[in-house]
Amino acid sequence: GPKVLQIPSHQIIDMGQMVTLNCDPVSNHLYFYWYKQILGQQMEFLVNFYNGKVMEKSKLFKDQFSVERPDGSYFTLKIQPTALEDSAVYFCASSFYRGSNERLFFGHGTKLSVL
Amino acid sequence: GDSVTQTEGPVTVSESESLIINCTYSATSIAYPNLFWYVRYPGEGLQLLLKVITAGQKGSSRGFEATYNKETTSFHLQKASVQESDSAVYYCALGDMIYNQGKLIFGQGTKLSIKP
Repeated sequence: GPKVLQIPSHQIIDMGQMVTLNCDPVSNHLYFYWYKQILGQQMEFLVNFYNGKVMEKSKLFKDQFSVERPDGSYFTLKIQPTALEDSAVYFCASSFYRGSNERLFFGHGTKLSVL
Repeated sequence: GDSVTQTEGPVTVSESESLIINCTYSATSIAYPNLFWYVRYPGEGLQLLLKVITAGQKGSSRGFEATYNKETTSFHLQKASVQESDSAVYYCALGDMIYNQGKLIFGQGTKLSIKP
């Protein structure tokens, strides 16, 4: 079936550095999402994105976070600067329909370790 | 607030035995909740197993069933006879049918292992 690819699968960086997490969504999908899962906790919604704009973001989506998808390339989550509490697995998802909960396709996740 | 609580894992069940993974939800700010079970098989991404958008209805897929019970605010996942291939992590999730932006509230996940 359709696949969402996330690159890399694991990223280790020093606190204060910038990191960009890449997501290659399903090719004809229009809506994109990031979720965050801290070890041992629930997966939590961060942000959704459509037509070049953030539609909704949660309180977890700090000012240091930004998302973009320039010209149909990767959908990216950038954190600048990173903090220790940003260590988590970040899941990208995409869907074709507007706000279609039942059609979310998720990637395998990128494990971010901030040292 | 809105939240989902499910059976704490890990859960181990013998092949051919029955399974129930409990899920209860709280939807204080969602007028029309949707309920979902997602599953992550080893080495794969999270994928939808089943969904129910109307209270009182039952969803089913791959031999699994779950009934949306508004009175008990529950959405338990059941299977009459599990197989080894059902070993995975199962997530109950809550969504909003009206304010419907792909924002799901997940439970903590239940890791299921099937003994051959």
